[in-house]
Amino acid sequence: TQLLEQSPQFLSIQEGENLTVYCNSSSVFSSLQWYRQEPGEGPVLLVTVVTGGEVKKLKRLTFQFGDARKDSSLHITAAQPGDTGLYLCAGGYGGSQGNLIFGKGTKLSVKP
Amino acid sequence: DAGITQSPRHKVTETGTPVTLRCHQTENHRYMYWYRQDPGHGLRLIHYSYGVKDTDKGEVSDGYSVSRSKTEDFLLTLESATSSQTSVYFCATGGGPDTQYFGPGTRLTVL
Repeated sequence: TQLLEQSPQFLSIQEGENLTVYCNSSSVFSSLQWYRQEPGEGPVLLVTVVTGGEVKKLKRLTFQFGDARKDSSLHITAAQPGDTGLYLCAGGYGGSQGNLIFGKGTKLSVKP
Repeated sequence: DAGITQSPRHKVTETGTPVTLRCHQTENHRYMYWYRQDPGHGLRLIHYSYGVKDTDKGEVSDGYSVSRSKTEDFLLTLESATSSQTSVYFCATGGGPDTQYFGPGTRLTVL
């Protein structure tokens, strides 16, 4: 069974702090997606990375795909309460069906 | 936002009754997926479709069936609901490999 391990599972920080969450696997992926999910809603796609070593920035969020395409990280600078949510990573193999393997998520709470 | 709606958004039913959940998309995406999300398990794929009338099983397909008669609609049916199928169900669509957009979810409780 292919697994995507996310760490930490839970993270509670104060507004203004920086944080990094990790997504690791023993499998090589053709792409890696990050989603944010708020309570009572569906996951929302934040970014897709496809090239080993790729770095993408989305305002205060920085996403990196590992050189070997087995892992990824999400770094948030100066976290705000609006960043609170469940962050999910998902790996894709580029198959014709487009199926993804999801991690169990990191639950982030940013306190004012 | 891929224009995905799910109905109903909430449902309470009794063990043994049939239940059908509907997913509707307006993006003309070829791929559609049904997931369930449970604490400690994350998102797990139930069934998916790669075209009209073309469907396949996912990781946790037992007790579920699907149908896709039109590009825009993907139905998930629980033939005889059990308490273990209490969950939040998400539909997703994808225009191509490795990119999926999710609906708002349906919270199903089986008593």
